[in-house]
Amino acid sequence: SQKIEQNSEALNIQEGKTATLTCNYTNYSPAYLQWYRQDPGRGPVFLLLIRENEKEKRKERLKVTFDTTLKQSLFHITASQPADSATYLCAPPSGGYNKLIFGAGTRLAVHP
Amino acid sequence: ETGVTQTPRHLVMGMTNKKSLKCEQHLGHNAMYWYKQSAKKPLELMFVYNFKEQTENNSVPSRFSPECPNSSHLFLHLHTLQPEDSALYLCASSQDEGRGPTSYGYTFGSGTRLTVV
Repeated sequence: SQKIEQNSEALNIQEGKTATLTCNYTNYSPAYLQWYRQDPGRGPVFLLLIRENEKEKRKERLKVTFDTTLKQSLFHITASQPADSATYLCAPPSGGYNKLIFGAGTRLAVHP
Repeated sequence: ETGVTQTPRHLVMGMTNKKSLKCEQHLGHNAMYWYKQSAKKPLELMFVYNFKEQTENNSVPSRFSPECPNSSHLFLHLHTLQPEDSALYLCASSQDEGRGPTSYGYTFGSGTRLTVV
């Protein structure tokens, strides 16, 4: 069955450093993958979408890569700030184009 | 506000009660979704509606009953729930263009925190 894995351990980094989060998927080849941010008790907020024919996508301090050979997406936040502290979810589609399944998320804590 | 409004924000109900969760989107999207998020678990897709037609029921127990009267409103009717149904219930919407999503992803509401006692 389709499986999505994100590092369940929290990632702790110092302010100003680059945070790198990993999303691995197995048993299928999604046409795209989305990344979301979720704060406690709130709904996820869409950040970026990357398609299978795009190697890299950028938005301000965010960068996402998509390696269809490794079946992996990396999510980078450069010059991280304490306000970036949240849980980050990767979400490829399953079945229909618009039926997203979500990874468990990786909690990021950026310390001053 | 994100453009997707969920009410109520918090709900406590007994196992014999009947209640409904409401979701409304003002984005002109044509697809709406219910997700369940339990503590320390990934979001679980429950139901998908495209153009107000249900296109997905992810093996959800019948004590959860969705209703989509139009493409802007989505309800989740609850009856005889169990304590393990306590969770954050999230509604989302998107624009389904049939060949993949727009670059804007899903828009989620803030969720209803449900506690079954």
